[in-house]
Amino acid sequence: QVQLQESGPGLVKPSQTLSLTCTVSGGSISSGGYYWSWIRQHPGKGLEWIGYIYYSGSTYYNPSLKSRVTISVDTSKNQFSLKLSSVTAADTAVYYCAREEQQQNWFDPWGQGTLVTVSS
Amino acid sequence: DIQMTQSPSSLSASVGDRVTITCRASQSISRYLNWYQQKPGTAPKLLIYLASSLQSGVPSRFSGSGSGTDFTLTISSLQPEDFATYYCQQTYSAPRTFGGGTKVEIK
Repeated sequence: QVQLQESGPGLVKPSQTLSLTCTVSGGSISSGGYYWSWIRQHPGKGLEWIGYIYYSGSTYYNPSLKSRVTISVDTSKNQFSLKLSSVTAADTAVYYCAREEQQQNWFDPWGQGTLVTVSS
Repeated sequence: DIQMTQSPSSLSASVGDRVTITCRASQSISRYLNWYQQKPGTAPKLLIYLASSLQSGVPSRFSGSGSGTDFTLTISSLQPEDFATYYCQQTYSAPRTFGGGTKVEIK
């Protein structure tokens, strides 16, 4: 079955850019029918949707983060990526990638999540 | 953005209890409502999609209902493995938004 795995630095300095990659296995991003999403969870808090990308490259970002977010896709590697610029301590969170079904709009599966801490 | 409000934020219950969690949307979202279960240190797990459809592999003691702005998640007979935090999510429009969560604890 399809599995997702996040990877990237666990520590980022303030004002720098957070970069994460989600590797998809067991299925092809290029097959269509799904949005590929990023979601984050601040420590001990709820879930915040960051945005998604379709295999064609079309994106939608949460307006609250839009000025700092870029999501891209590399179909040759079956990966999609998140870049969040100008980070502060408020961006410290567990970052998840997930697949959203395009018609019924459920999120499954999710990656295991990766904690990113913003600190000098 | 569509705001999702869950209640209660936490509850204590015993094994075997019937538990109901509610979720209210700030505007109509038709039936575009999902429910997730999250245990500490793990990713959310899809339980219910489109308000009442049970995800494959999820026990039948979980059920969902509602449409428009008001939704419920019911656990008919709480089991030890059900102690977790539950989140609702609307996917009627972007940005997708989640409720604040309901933590189900052991009484």
